[in-house]
Amino acid sequence: NAGVTQTPKFRVLKTGQSMTLLCAQDMNHEYMYWYRQDPGMGLRLIHYSVGEGTTAKGEVPDGYNVSRLKKQNFLLGLESAAPSQTSVYFCATARWSAREETQYFGPGTRLLVL
Amino acid sequence: AQSVTQPDIHITVSEGASLELRCNYSYGATPYLFWYVQSPGQGLQLLLKYFSGDTLVQGIKGFEAEFKRSQSSFNLRKPSVHWSDAAEYFCAVGESGGGADGLTFGKGTHLIIQP
Repeated sequence: NAGVTQTPKFRVLKTGQSMTLLCAQDMNHEYMYWYRQDPGMGLRLIHYSVGEGTTAKGEVPDGYNVSRLKKQNFLLGLESAAPSQTSVYFCATARWSAREETQYFGPGTRLLVL
Repeated sequence: AQSVTQPDIHITVSEGASLELRCNYSYGATPYLFWYVQSPGQGLQLLLKYFSGDTLVQGIKGFEAEFKRSQSSFNLRKPSVHWSDAAEYFCAVGESGGGADGLTFGKGTHLIIQP
């Protein structure tokens, strides 16, 4: 089992370009999350999904969109990248039933916006 | 809104010495509390979690944490650190329901191990 994988691992964008980050999981988890990590800031929740076809905003959703068309995939989109979106992006998954209240994190995607 | 404070940005400990990392939370109801560790360039790994019951919880790698409601704290401890414990440590809190709507993280404590 691969667990939680993220594609790509690293990307450089120019201001105004768009891109999509992919999170894939093979654990059959209902819940998926996107966080960003900035130096000295910890992790902050961008968007999350409680199941296929559903999404919700987190703490810092502006400038991002998400989609959960398939249970195993959670996509994070940047329509017009800005330097402030330079960050490390982490995807996480969880199965909030039978007391399995643990989030499992992917390895991260480093994004640099010039 | 819930919040998490990790007062120490950096902590330096000698190898073999004991460790305590502090975490204070702000949340009205019973919190769900977590400690995660992040090695350089890696994702986050769960060390331990508290939902209810015994206030002293044991985790992986010899770590433990104690929930103190009166102090709104969930401090992480280890009796004897190893050089491999050098990493970034994050405390996090989830809302009732286990954090299904996402976790709120502290800003992290960077642990340095001296030989």
